[in-house]
This record gives sequence, structure tokens and C-alpha cells, in this order.
Amino acid sequence: EIVLTQSPATLSLSPGERATLSCRASQSVSSYLAWYQQKPGQAPRLLIYDASNRATGIPARFSGSGSGTDFTLTISSLEPEDFAVYYCQQRSNWPRGWTFGQGTKVEIK
Amino acid sequence: EVQLVESGGGLVQPGGSLRLSCAASGFTFSSYDMHWVRQATGKGLEWVSAIGTAGDTYYPGSVKGRFTISRENAKNSLYLQMNSLRAGDTAVYYCARAQPGYGDYDYWGQGTLVTVSS
Repeated sequence: EIVLTQSPATLSLSPGERATLSCRASQSVSSYLAWYQQKPGQAPRLLIYDASNRATGIPARFSGSGSGTDFTLTISSLEPEDFAVYYCQQRSNWPRGWTFGQGTKVEIK
Repeated sequence: EVQLVESGGGLVQPGGSLRLSCAASGFTFSSYDMHWVRQATGKGLEWVSAIGTAGDTYYPGSVKGRFTISRENAKNSLYLQMNSLRAGDTAVYYCARAQPGYGDYDYWGQGTLVTVSS
């Protein structure tokens, strides 16, 4: 099973700052990696698919990069609505399944 | 507008069964792979099952043999039959639509809570 490790577990930042979230895979997932945002009491929302493609309606301040085993989600300038938990997900070993990282919480400093 | 609405959650005793439903609207349901994903309170996301447009099904080891995913395209509905439930199955269960060609989840339902407890 491919394990995704996200770091840091918590990121404390102020609005306007840049956020850099990391996701590392235990083996190569090529570019088959997505990022989701989840706010309390809500379902996750797709932000980025295939490592670097923004989903429909996602603001340009969100960007993804990486391939193989190391991936990054960058939020260029945090807006108040961006404070949430972020998950990465891989689908490289389909149909053996998808796996998620354990999440990074972006909180207000 | 794409909508996914789950139902069927509730309290069930260990060893019991429950059937979840997901009503889809706003898109051609039969053309999309569909998944179930769960989340225990305060925990991360876990993929539970998937069904392709041809009815092919997939499960992780944690639920294989206990859970069965199915779909009824004429009713735009997705189901999850859960048997031999354990305390560790307690979670919010989401149905999710997979993007064609990519497999990532572009739409999610609001979730339904399953609690396994005596």
C-alpha cells in the first residue's frame, strides 16, 4: 500500500502569508495526486488534480507542484476562508485503491 | 446543479447491518464511476469502495467481504450494504463522484453518520 505523509501536521500563519504544504509518497505515484480542502462540518472540496491542475472554480492563489514522491500545495496569500484542513490523495495504484494523507491543518496565528 | 444526497445512516449494534443510499442528480449518473469515502470523528479520510460504469467493484482490505457497493442507474442511485459492522466502522460516510479520466472526486455529498455501538 502506498502511504502518503503530509507535513507539517499544523501550520500557523496569518492572513496574507504564504502557505506551503508538503505531501510525500512512500513510492512513486507519478502525477496522480490530488489536494482537497475541508472545513469543519463540510465535505472535502477538490482543489488540485494530477498534481498541478486547478479544479473548476478554484482561485489562482492555490497551486500544486511535484511528481514522483514529493508534492507541494502552495497558497500564495492566505485569505480568511483558507483556514482549513488540507488532504492529499493518490490514485496511482488503481484499481487497488486510493489513499489519503493524514491532513495538514492551516490555522490562524 | 450536481447534487449527491446520502441517507440511511444511524445507530447499529456491533455485528449488525446497514444500507446507505446516495441519490444523484444534475448529471448523467450512469457515465461516472462512484465511490464511498468515510471519516471518523476528528480523523482523516479513508476510501471505502468504488464502482465503475460497467458495475465493476473495488474495496480496500479493511471492508472487503463485509461491504458491498452497488448502483441502480435507472434510479440515479448508489448504495453501500454494510454487514458485520464493527466499532471501527463508526464514521461519516460520503458518496463522491470521480472525474472521468482522472478519478479524483469533483463532487461530494454532505455525508451520513454511521455509529456502531452497543
